[in-house]
Amino acid sequence: DVKVTQSSRYLVKRTGEKVFLECVQDMDHENMFWYRQDPGLGLRLIYFSYDVKMKEKGDIPEGYSVSREKKERFSLILESASTNQTSMYLCASSIPGEGAGRGTEAFFGQGTRLTVV
Amino acid sequence: AQTVTQSQPEMSVQEAETVTLSCTYDTSESDYYLFWYKQPPSRQMILVIRQEAYKQQNATENRFSVNFQKAAKSFSLKISDSQLGDAAMYFCAYRSWGTYKYIFGTGTRLKVLA
Repeated sequence: DVKVTQSSRYLVKRTGEKVFLECVQDMDHENMFWYRQDPGLGLRLIYFSYDVKMKEKGDIPEGYSVSREKKERFSLILESASTNQTSMYLCASSIPGEGAGRGTEAFFGQGTRLTVV
Repeated sequence: AQTVTQSQPEMSVQEAETVTLSCTYDTSESDYYLFWYKQPPSRQMILVIRQEAYKQQNATENRFSVNFQKAAKSFSLKISDSQLGDAAMYFCAYRSWGTYKYIFGTGTRLKVLA
């Protein structure tokens, strides 16, 4: 089974801190994603990466950056945490390719609940 | 830009009954995938069912089935014989053929009443 592991389930950080959220997947997936989940807003894409050292901005990249130095690891960085970044963060991975049965879905980690105080 | 709309923030169903969750989407693409994901209180998002747009036959997975209406851009999820373990947030998602990005709806919270 695909396993996507996020390093923390709960984090509490102070305003202005630099925060690292780590995600590791064990199935050699090329694509990795960071989403933010807020009530009533669903999942919004922050960044995604389709290869090592490759990244593209999603819909809400402001205040975030990412790093993908190794294929299995994708890190989300909050350069200077703010209270409006208090949220649930979900990491996901998928393989590229099309067609039935080719694993077109994304696989998710268990989520990190980040509180910025 | 593609959008996914789930108009029911919350639904309730009696145990053993059937419930249908609604999802509509907007796209100009002809080839794409649609998904229903379940997020239980434990928070791990898991795939419930997947539909390829080029397939006319509706997907089914045990008690879960979809009603895919391509012309109407509608993709509803039917849960038969509802169980207490079905209680969760359900998200509808879309991905265009040949792209990496998944677009999610705002979710429907399903409560199952004993």
